[in-house]
Amino acid sequence: QQPVQSPQAVILREGEDAVINCSSSKALYSVHWYRQKHGEAPVFLMILLKGGEQKGHEKISASFNEKKQQSSLYLTASQLSYSGTYFCGTEVTGGTSYGKLTFGQGTILTVHP
Amino acid sequence: GAVVSQHPSRVICKSGTSVKIECRSLDFQATTMFWYRQFPKQSLMLMATSNEGSKATYEQGVEKDKFLINHASLTLSTLTVTSAHPEDSSFYICSARDRGRGRDTQYFGPGTRLTVL
Repeated sequence: QQPVQSPQAVILREGEDAVINCSSSKALYSVHWYRQKHGEAPVFLMILLKGGEQKGHEKISASFNEKKQQSSLYLTASQLSYSGTYFCGTEVTGGTSYGKLTFGQGTILTVHP
Repeated sequence: GAVVSQHPSRVICKSGTSVKIECRSLDFQATTMFWYRQFPKQSLMLMATSNEGSKATYEQGVEKDKFLINHASLTLSTLTVTSAHPEDSSFYICSARDRGRGRDTQYFGPGTRLTVL
């Protein structure tokens, strides 16, 4: 079953912050975050493997609450280059194939000058 | 640089022809690769899991006779769209998981845009 992302879209001015949420109805083994620009393939941002884990990547970080089966992506001091569609991909516990991801519907992020 | 490549990046073909798409992991071995399809303004939908040396596992609703997958080596998986029709036009993307040398990253190829006339 597809994880649910919220919000569906967000518009920011440069320097503002945003949070994108990803929620699953199934127990998760890992959560992956990707950014996709129009006409291009998704680009890997980070993977979170453990419950309660938080990772950072410059001004982009994420948390994973295994108990709540949720993950959040935090974008701080946004830049124009952050614009794109963000997808979370979830890997369920006890899945049949390692690395098999189910993607959320995406969150469109637009950063204006 | 790219760690997963796809070829071709774009293909236009006539209805009824077959199209082969290659996916390669460039500096790591991938016993498992995944094939996704993405329609405009939609999410990525998993089509099948490609397993090196064995049959692919297809998701529900994906015709295995239409989308032939071969994973002949640890670095190459191919997807063949047989007797393509206009409704098969889409963006096809492969991915592979790299867990070697302390890494754990799932990379996507650059995608292949298929247009069937």
